[in-house]
Amino acid sequence: QKEVEQDPGPLSVPEGAIVSLNCTYSNSAFQYFMWYRQYSRKGPELLMYTYSSGNKEDGRFTAQVDKSSKYISLFIRDSQPSDSATYLCAMSGPYGQNFVFGPGTRLSVLP
Amino acid sequence: EAGVVQSPRYKIIEKKQPVAFWCNPISGHNTLYWYRQNLGQGPELLIRYENEEAVDDSQLPKDRFSAERLKGVDSTLKIQPAELGDSAVYLCASSFGLAGGRSDEQYFGPGTRLTVT
Repeated sequence: QKEVEQDPGPLSVPEGAIVSLNCTYSNSAFQYFMWYRQYSRKGPELLMYTYSSGNKEDGRFTAQVDKSSKYISLFIRDSQPSDSATYLCAMSGPYGQNFVFGPGTRLSVLP
Repeated sequence: EAGVVQSPRYKIIEKKQPVAFWCNPISGHNTLYWYRQNLGQGPELLIRYENEEAVDDSQLPKDRFSAERLKGVDSTLKIQPAELGDSAVYLCASSFGLAGGRSDEQYFGPGTRLTVT
């Protein structure tokens, strides 16, 4: 079993849809949880950064962490074609150690 | 503010040849990371520096890969000799690190796409 697993995708949705992207993990020591967006032929860019369990909202994006279930989610409301990219979850331990990315989910938002 | 700078952007070499990648992190970032990203996969950490010290190089294939970060700023990653399986995108990232009061908000460069033929 991989340390971090992510919905394999690819995922195609119509413009305006609500998108749910998910990751599960096995290491209970993870405390920092991140979502990165990666456009084709670009480096990943940080979207959301959360510590421990709970929700965090930033515009159309909401990150959710459930440490008891070892499950994190990213919701995108009113999705736009410009949201088409690969979304990578990432997580690390309390001092930044064991930083690991999920394999990514490719999202296409169709106009 | 300038982001993480990497060069070259693309490199094509024959197997058994050496290759080097260069990274200039964001000013003030103490922590520097090198990742390798294969097609359709997430980045995998190769090495992490805190200033000039390599604090995590457990995933670096030390028989052919080497890295340095002189003066705690720029860094180079070298492969010698390259193998076909080294074809990938090599990403550099930087962050403030714990000394700056932030943990893992990493900022990535555009990467170097390496093709080994």
